Amino acid sequence: QQQVKQSPQSLIVQKGGISIINCAYENTAFDYFPWYQQFPGKGPALLIAIRPDVSEKKEGRFTISFNKSAKQFSLHIMDSQPGDSATYFCAASIGEYGNKLVFGAGTILRVKS
Amino acid sequence: DAGITQSPRHKVTETGTPVTLRCHQTENHRYMYWYRQDPGHGLRLIHYSYGVKDTDKGEVSDGYSVSRSKTEDFLLTLESATSSQTSVYFCAISAEGGNTIYFGEGSWLTVV
Repeated sequence: QQQVKQSPQSLIVQKGGISIINCAYENTAFDYFPWYQQFPGKGPALLIAIRPDVSEKKEGRFTISFNKSAKQFSLHIMDSQPGDSATYFCAASIGEYGNKLVFGAGTILRVKS
Repeated sequence: DAGITQSPRHKVTETGTPVTLRCHQTENHRYMYWYRQDPGHGLRLIHYSYGVKDTDKGEVSDGYSVSRSKTEDFLLTLESATSSQTSVYFCAISAEGGNTIYFGEGSWLTVV
């Protein structure tokens, strides 16, 4: 039973396009929503994170949109580049405890040049 | 990478044999974790540690044990490896009061 449902499983985007990855959750106690980026052969690395008191957070070309009422959040990658090709994981946790972090199944993004 | 070394990085072992994966950190972080990554499942927590000799189970702990005798080292043991334990194993760390988890580069384990 996955507490965080992520879609799509894979995504192909043209260079310069917008990549959108969606996640949905059920547990309303979640209060921290990070996204991790993983390149082949490497461990995941924190990309960007949001708390439910804001609806959007932007860092460079990466934006998280958060819809508390719908219990959904999404990652938007603007002007997608081949170097963005990676696996992206959404996650959610309760409080400041890493052991409470639950991950989505991941999305494999390929940006075609 | 946040000062995390996993060993071995790749291992092939036979069903029924014991296997130990080692995680060593140089960050002096209190919390250490072992995750497994499988297609379609994302990352799932196996065990974690909140201090020396303090450990607890995660979501998928059956068939695994852990030990932490020093702040910097966290060992994951498969007492009797099974084919279902073929996976990529990631060690991770986080500081006290922080929920940012830093991952190692992974250990690829194949059980034949």
